[in-house]
Amino acid sequence: QKEVEQDPGPLSVPEGAIVSLNCTYSNSAFQYFMWYRQYSRKGPELLMYTYSSGNKEDGRFTAQVDKSSKYISLFIRDSQPSDSATYLCAMSKRDDMRFGAGTRLTVKP
Amino acid sequence: DGGITQSPKYLFRKEGQNVTLSCEQNLNHDAMYWYRQDPGQGLRLIYYSQIVNDFQKGDIAEGYSVSREKKESFPLTVTSAQKNPTAFYLCASSIVRQRNSPLHFGNGTRLTVT
Repeated sequence: QKEVEQDPGPLSVPEGAIVSLNCTYSNSAFQYFMWYRQYSRKGPELLMYTYSSGNKEDGRFTAQVDKSSKYISLFIRDSQPSDSATYLCAMSKRDDMRFGAGTRLTVKP
Repeated sequence: DGGITQSPKYLFRKEGQNVTLSCEQNLNHDAMYWYRQDPGQGLRLIYYSQIVNDFQKGDIAEGYSVSREKKESFPLTVTSAQKNPTAFYLCASSIVRQRNSPLHFGNGTRLTVT
């Protein structure tokens, strides 16, 4: 079993839709949770960084962490074609960071 | 504009040749990292350095080598001992040395070995 599981998609939605991206993990020692966005042939860029369970909102993006279920989510409201990218989840503890394989998202105009 | 510069963007080599990928940062970050990205897999850590003149092996260090002679620079050499070197290589940095810190990434080097 991988430490971090992420559905690779691809996921295709119409413009304006609400997108839900998810990851599950097996190591309960993870304390910090991140979402990165990666455009084609580019490096990942940090979107959200959270600690502990709960929700964090930043504009159209909401990150949700449920430590009891070992499940994290990223919601994108009013999705735009410019949101088309691969989304990587990542989680870390003091001496280690692990990444999901990424979910490829396409938002169609 | 602060950031991480990786060069070249694309690199082609023949099997059996060593090749060095460049990574320079002007963010004044202490820690630097090299990751490998393959389709369908999460990023895998090759090497990391938390301070000048010191570096540690990551999960897949075999066939790779690094140096950290300057704070700004962390070059990666892919040696002929690396069995499957064709991949997308990402350099990253973080402001603090703890490995749970969020990372800033460069735009990668795509290496193709034939």
